[in-house]
Amino acid sequence: DAGVIQSPRHEVTEMGQEVTLRCKPISGHNSLFWYRQTMMRGLELLIYFNNNVPIDDSGMPEDRFSAKMPNASFSTLKIQPSEPRDSAVYFCASSHPLAGGPINYNEQFFGPGTRLTVL
Amino acid sequence: SQQGEEDPQALSIQEGENATMNCSYKTSINNLQWYRQNSGRGLVHLILIRSNEREKHSGRLRVTLDTSKKSSSLLITASRAADTASYFCATDFNTDKLIFGTGTRLQVFP
Repeated sequence: DAGVIQSPRHEVTEMGQEVTLRCKPISGHNSLFWYRQTMMRGLELLIYFNNNVPIDDSGMPEDRFSAKMPNASFSTLKIQPSEPRDSAVYFCASSHPLAGGPINYNEQFFGPGTRLTVL
Repeated sequence: SQQGEEDPQALSIQEGENATMNCSYKTSINNLQWYRQNSGRGLVHLILIRSNEREKHSGRLRVTLDTSKKSSSLLITASRAADTASYFCATDFNTDKLIFGTGTRLQVFP
């Protein structure tokens, strides 16, 4: 398996522009997570989906951020308009329940991340 | 806000020495996991310990959990230069959601 795939790996954009980050989870995984990592705030969960449905978006910073999961193999995180303080590494992760285990007895598999710089 | 706090923030040791990292958390948990992150990479799962377990081993890794103190430790024995990375604890409680700690940066010198 190729693992979790994220694109682009690097994105440099100007303030005010729209940014779209993409994620392909591992086939068969039914949960997908978007994280943001910065030196100041560490690793923050933005939103997660279970079976393509958003379950918890309490970490989404503000209305400029939106996420979708139109099918089991694809998700997007969009920032519109982008601001310099959005500069960070954005990770996508996926997981699936271990056979015979409760839904939360699982490990997450992380993608390589997208390094976003907003000028 | 993050639930886990890790200690120390940074640790430097020589190859062959043991490295111990600690994690404290604030609320009840079902499971606690440890992840490693190499520079410029995503996190990689190392080990999971359930709330009813006290100790777990995997290769050179030993994890302990003390739910009464809301703390966990990760011990890496006979460290290698390749162990150089940041290490994070993560907890969950009744959901898929993981709350990550602030991380410990480990530097192992050859």
